[in-house]
Amino acid sequence: GEDVEQSLFLSVREGDSSVINCTYTDSSSTYLYWYKQEPGAGLQLLTYIFSNMDMKQDQRLTVLLNKKDKHLSLRIADTQTGDSAIYFCAEIPRRGGATNKLIFGTGTLLAVQP
Amino acid sequence: DSGVTQTPKHLITATGQRVTLRCSPRSGDLSVYWYQQSLDQGLQFLIQYYNGEERAKGNILERFSAQQFPDLHSELNLSSLELGDSALYFCASSPQDNEQFFGPGTRLTVL
Repeated sequence: GEDVEQSLFLSVREGDSSVINCTYTDSSSTYLYWYKQEPGAGLQLLTYIFSNMDMKQDQRLTVLLNKKDKHLSLRIADTQTGDSAIYFCAEIPRRGGATNKLIFGTGTLLAVQP
Repeated sequence: DSGVTQTPKHLITATGQRVTLRCSPRSGDLSVYWYQQSLDQGLQFLIQYYNGEERAKGNILERFSAQQFPDLHSELNLSSLELGDSALYFCASSPQDNEQFFGPGTRLTVL
């Protein structure tokens, strides 16, 4: 099927690291993405990783990819209250054919406690 | 700000009505994607256009249709609206197919 799975909720204290996990479906997906959605807002592309990479770092964000287990994670260092949002992982499955439609996970609500 | 604009921001209408949602992609982006976000279905791909032509369809109902115009803006038409069509509708545009930039969305409420 096309289910991308994420845990629903994560609570952390300000200043701690947050790790959001995702299990995707298509081992041949070329790109994997993390989007952020703040309340009442649209989807902000945070970062993405190409499938031939194991890790990508971008300032406070670190993405880890385990292709064997089809597992993707997003680590946010020094988490701030402004990081409170819903985080979606997404893939573009190769079996989607000619389109590059995104298949989204269920989203993880990150709550940062001051 | 992603550079993708959507109008209107909010839309409230009644069952059985028809509405049109509008999306203007980022300058130069040829691809437009439409997605629906609802509490029960999550974020789902509806349809994609590339340079005026339909490229792919997802979970789009027959009551829904879309088009992309020569100036690359796109419209999503929803007809015979039902309560269950209440959702956030996003469009995204893409310069190359590995990045999609989302608009702020249109929140549709069907009463």
